Amino acid sequence: AQSVTQPDIHITVSEGASLELRCNYSYGATPYLFWYVQSPGQGLQLLLKYFSGDTLVQGIKGFEAEFKRSQSSFNLRKPSVHWSDAAEYFCAVGALGNEKLTFGTGTRLTIIP
Amino acid sequence: ETGVTQSPTHLIKTRGQQVTLRCSSQSGHNTVSWYQQALGQGPQFIFQYYREEENGRGNFPPRFSGLQFPNYSSELNVNALELDDSALYLCASSFARGGLGELFFGEGSRLTVL
Repeated sequence: AQSVTQPDIHITVSEGASLELRCNYSYGATPYLFWYVQSPGQGLQLLLKYFSGDTLVQGIKGFEAEFKRSQSSFNLRKPSVHWSDAAEYFCAVGALGNEKLTFGTGTRLTIIP
Repeated sequence: ETGVTQSPTHLIKTRGQQVTLRCSSQSGHNTVSWYQQALGQGPQFIFQYYREEENGRGNFPPRFSGLQFPNYSSELNVNALELDDSALYLCASSFARGGLGELFFGEGSRLTVL
């Protein structure tokens, strides 16, 4: 069975500081990995995805993530956060031919001035 | 192009009642997935519809059912509502069957069961 662990429930960073959100997955086959962002009262927006190839993937809004198979991780990073990045971030795993995504429990990001 | 739209945005029901939630998929998309997001949790897969047929189901009881129409819009029906059904229900459309075409999510329908 596939699963996703986001060990940090809540992270607070200062505006302009760097950010790393952790994600560990469990899946028997080659995983497809995703990061979504959810602002209050809104649906989920895809930030980036990894299917294959280069293990460092670039996404929207200046985010990037690195796939590390040996660590079963897919951490999300941003070099300098903006106040508008405050939101809930979800990591998800799926696979080709498997119709569902399995999400983690999310990490709430708070930005302080 | 229009995005994924869901209705109603909020609703309140009592235990034992039935509810129908609606979703219009993004233009050009033929696959609709439904997810349940309880407070403080990540979304959980309910089921997916492709060309009007169920194409995969998560760990939800049969009282959760769905439909997809020829225009690819969809409904989620929940019978005999329980308190634990209180959640945000998210619809996502994509242009892929089985495989993981990018999912485009609506803003959800928040259901409260009293």
